[in-house]
Amino acid sequence: DQQVKQNSPSLSVQEGRISILNCDYTNSMFDYFLWYKKYPAEGPTFLISISSIKDKNEDGRFTVFLNKSAKHLSLHIVPSQPGDSAVYFCAASAIRGTSYGKLTFGQGTILTVHP
Amino acid sequence: DAGITQSPRHKVTETGTPVTLRCHQTENHRYMYWYRQDPGHGLRLIHYSYGVKDTDKGEVSDGYSVSRSKTEDFLLTLESATSSQTSVYFCAISEYWEGTEAFFGQGTRLTVV
Repeated sequence: DQQVKQNSPSLSVQEGRISILNCDYTNSMFDYFLWYKKYPAEGPTFLISISSIKDKNEDGRFTVFLNKSAKHLSLHIVPSQPGDSAVYFCAASAIRGTSYGKLTFGQGTILTVHP
Repeated sequence: DAGITQSPRHKVTETGTPVTLRCHQTENHRYMYWYRQDPGHGLRLIHYSYGVKDTDKGEVSDGYSVSRSKTEDFLLTLESATSSQTSVYFCAISEYWEGTEAFFGQGTRLTVV
């Protein structure tokens, strides 16, 4: 039972354009969401997060949007750069229940930014 | 970068042999986690620790055990390795329990033949 889903295994965009990575979740107890970026042969690194009390959080070129009613979040990267090419993981945690305090990850989306 | 070291970085072992992976942190964070990464599954939690000698199971704990005798070290043991445990293993640490950002090690690639 995949509680966090990233339905697009890969995404290819041109340098300078917008990259939009999507994530859906099923557990209504999730209240904190994170995006991680992973380069080959390295561990994931934290990128940006959002609490369920917000619908948007911005950090430089990265913006995360949360639609609680749709149980959907997205990561926007503008403008995209070749160095953004990596695997992006969406993750979620809950304030109570069996998912309390633990991160549940999606399957990941491979982003390729072409020069 | 958070001070997390995983060892070994690569290991090939035979089916049925015991294997121990080590995670060492220098951040004095209370919470430590072991994940495995497999294609199509993302990262899945194996076990976690919320203090010295305090551990609990994650979603894919069968075939794995852990120990934490010191704040800085979290060991993952495969008592009898199987081919299904071929994977990349990541250790992570976090300062707070409430699912806030965790910092990951560089990973251990384990191959069971």
